[in-house]
Amino acid sequence: DQQVKQNSPSLSVQEGRISILNCDYTNSMFDYFLWYKKYPAEGPTFLISISSIKDKNEDGRFTVFLNKSAKHLSLHIVPSQPGDSAVYFCAASGRKPDGGSTLGRLYFGRGTQLTVWP
Amino acid sequence: DTAVSQTPKYLVTQMGNDKSIKCEQNLGHDTMYWYKQDSKKFLKIMFSYNNKELIINETVPNRFSPKSPDKAHLNLHINSLELGDSAVYFCASSPGIAGQQYFGPGTRLLVL
Repeated sequence: DQQVKQNSPSLSVQEGRISILNCDYTNSMFDYFLWYKKYPAEGPTFLISISSIKDKNEDGRFTVFLNKSAKHLSLHIVPSQPGDSAVYFCAASGRKPDGGSTLGRLYFGRGTQLTVWP
Repeated sequence: DTAVSQTPKYLVTQMGNDKSIKCEQNLGHDTMYWYKQDSKKFLKIMFSYNNKELIINETVPNRFSPKSPDKAHLNLHINSLELGDSAVYFCASSPGIAGQQYFGPGTRLLVL
């Protein structure tokens, strides 16, 4: 039962253009969302996060947008660079649908492979 | 000065063997985790320890046994390895129970 879904396994973008990675979730009790970036043979590294009290968070070239009513978030990378080529994981945390504690669990999507070509 | 380290990085072994993976964090965090990334690339939590106490134990075969000798270390011992245990195992840590987690580089386990 995947509570966090990334429906696009891959995305290819030209250098300098915008990359938009999407993520959907099913649990309305999630209140904190994160994006991780992963290079081959390395562990995921934290990129940016957003709390459910906000609808946008920006850090340099990276912006995360949260649409709570649609249970959707997206990561925008502008401008995209070849070094951004990696797998991007969306993750969420919060309470269970019944309000119970998840003890800090992060629920991950299966990732989107971003390729930025020159 | 690696924040979260794991050993070994690669592990190839035969079915039926027992193996251990070690994890250490030098961030001073209270909480540590083990994740499994299977062939479908899903990252799923297996265990979580907070101040050396087990707080999350997902539906994992009891052949998997975590051990936390202190807050900076979380080891994973696997008995009677099976083909389906082949995966990448990631250790992670966080300052507290909630929030951002910091991941190790992963241990690639292949069971033949």
